[in-house]
Amino acid sequence: GAGVSQSPSNKVTEKGKDVELRCDPISGHTALYWYRQSLGQGLEFLIYFQGNSAPDKSGLPSDRFSAERTGGSVSTLTIQRTQQEDSAVYLCASRQSLSGTGNSPLHFGNGTRLTVT
Amino acid sequence: AQSVTQPDIHITVSEGASLELRCNYSYGATPYLFWYVQSPGQGLQLLLKYFSGDTLVQGIKGFEAEFKRSQSSFNLRKPSVHWSDAAEYFCAVGARGSQGNLIFGKGTKLSVKP
Repeated sequence: GAGVSQSPSNKVTEKGKDVELRCDPISGHTALYWYRQSLGQGLEFLIYFQGNSAPDKSGLPSDRFSAERTGGSVSTLTIQRTQQEDSAVYLCASRQSLSGTGNSPLHFGNGTRLTVT
Repeated sequence: AQSVTQPDIHITVSEGASLELRCNYSYGATPYLFWYVQSPGQGLQLLLKYFSGDTLVQGIKGFEAEFKRSQSSFNLRKPSVHWSDAAEYFCAVGARGSQGNLIFGKGTKLSVKP
């Protein structure tokens, strides 16, 4: 597609349930990122995938959070046993990452707004 | 460690007035610098970026930003604000030679008075 696609756009779930958030990056982009945006907190880095390399999971806030990227394309962010503090907008971004550089811009999806009741 | 500070949480300007949004970064060398804009319910859109060369960079929608190494700043400016510029603006820094993530500031919300 033309841009980064995320689904669902909105998700309401009960505390304790598991949720899966999906991201379809721009075709050909090798790097994929997940960020969490909470009110007044800016963007918090969660996880980063680059090609076939091991993902950088340093931003995941707890072991309830996990993500995978299948076939180097679509990514799923899973939150297990959701808590109210998980309520936020989850943004996915991709970029055409060139070896040895960090200067290609991120292209963002519109996000998934997660509400945990 | 890299960090980005946007000192102003919320700014209100009148339509037609000039705008400057502040951004200060902390990084040991010259980083890559970005400004993104986010409209309600939307993802982030890149406004402009600085990698090297001319320290005054032009972006989309009439925005510009100036990299000042001595002040560790990358302030965003626009000479005349339009009502459609009301949004949230994020400054971000990326490390050179890295394929890692960008570090974002907490954002500045811009409101435009008619």
